[in-house]
Amino acid sequence: EVQLLESGGGLVQPGGSLRLSCAASGFIFSSYDMNWVRQAPGRGLEWVSRISGSGNTTYYADSVKGRFTIARDNSKNTLYLQVNSLRADDTALYYCAKDRTPGAGNFDCWGQGTLVTVSS
Amino acid sequence: DIVMTQTPLSSPVTLGQPASISCRSSQNLVHSDGNTYLSWLQQRPGQPPRLLIYKISNRFSGVPDRFSGSGAGTDFTLKISRVEAEDVGVYYCMQGTQFPYTFGQGTKLVIK
Repeated sequence: EVQLLESGGGLVQPGGSLRLSCAASGFIFSSYDMNWVRQAPGRGLEWVSRISGSGNTTYYADSVKGRFTIARDNSKNTLYLQVNSLRADDTALYYCAKDRTPGAGNFDCWGQGTLVTVSS
Repeated sequence: DIVMTQTPLSSPVTLGQPASISCRSSQNLVHSDGNTYLSWLQQRPGQPPRLLIYKISNRFSGVPDRFSGSGAGTDFTLKISRVEAEDVGVYYCMQGTQFPYTFGQGTKLVIK
């Protein structure tokens, strides 16, 4: 069974940092592109970032470019999101999501999410 | 960025009756590889999103056949042939053709 389990969220002050993790199981992790998607409380979905299976290619939403860094460790089947210079509008539930096929923007498996709250 | 516009934003439906959600993109969603990466997701209350339909009309594994997708280019539709109580939630269309990937605002399906 394909599973994704996020962790690392929490309460952080504006300007602070966190590292989010997503532990994957049930599939060949290195074969799939992975994504982070966030959802502010009571709001819709916002794509944040994507990384290729090898880790060589990354993409970011403009709203996080230069502040967030996506990475993966295929030996540990784990996806990461380093979030720096956090702002109040980064407060959201952060989901990791697996691509259904390489290069396709179809997310066929989602974790339960990890909550990031930015507040003083 | 490609803007995805869903209508309606709220859809009250009687159990057993059909429901339809429209999604319009601001640009053609045909990818250079010939595929159209338009998908539909369902988010039940308190749950993460779940893939229902990918590439316009392909039902994902385990999705009941009462869900169907159609459309082309910039206009797409999700249909539920007979709404069941477990279908309550928010439905999103999403384009995965061009970065940044974008979602519709969401359509809330409620039972009358």
